[in-house]
Amino acid sequence: DAKTTQPNSMESNEEEPVHLPCNHSTISGTDYIHWYRQLPSQGPEYVIHGLTSNVNNRMASLAIAEDRKSSTLILHRATLRDAAVYYCILRDYNTNAGKSTFGDGTTLTVKP
Amino acid sequence: DTAVSQTPKYLVTQMGNDKSIKCEQNLGHDTMYWYKQDSKKFLKIMFSYNNKELIINETVPNRFSPKSPDKAHLNLHINSLELGDSAVYFCASSRRTGGTYGYTFGSGTRLTVV
Repeated sequence: DAKTTQPNSMESNEEEPVHLPCNHSTISGTDYIHWYRQLPSQGPEYVIHGLTSNVNNRMASLAIAEDRKSSTLILHRATLRDAAVYYCILRDYNTNAGKSTFGDGTTLTVKP
Repeated sequence: DTAVSQTPKYLVTQMGNDKSIKCEQNLGHDTMYWYKQDSKKFLKIMFSYNNKELIINETVPNRFSPKSPDKAHLNLHINSLELGDSAVYFCASSRRTGGTYGYTFGSGTRLTVV
């Protein structure tokens, strides 16, 4: 499975934008880029995913580099409730297995 | 309505016991998974079922046995529990296999073996 690399931790101020980076230099052409977040004592929560084009939804935006070797999750206005561990993972479109490997993730701290 | 529900939420048991964790999803998804999150917060897949058929069986001791009676349910039975089995176990589902679809996770079962 292709692996992802994320910074261990990041800090942000409340109501400011946050850019969470993810490197996936060994990504294959059939890998989707997914982002999840895990709040304390909860299960991971789906945030967004994309293949090649940038994606927006009500939670966040996903910016994918042209060569797809990196991506950035953008939270437009961080709130205290956004403090969580953010995971960037790759999921192969073609496989019938559907498995994904979660890395260590980025712990986001939001300061009031 | 909870989309993916697991029971129990907490499980404390002695070494050597046998225990089960149940998972149900009401999303109409075809694929279900068990993930294990250890004390270092690393999430590792254990098993995956697609329409009741086992499609992923990672390197997991054979003391762990999943069972899917129908595509809405995936249970995990653990025999002869060991201290190292202590972890949070998450059930998840997705509409189908493959990267087009995202996971929906349950809230987890915290297993403590004493």
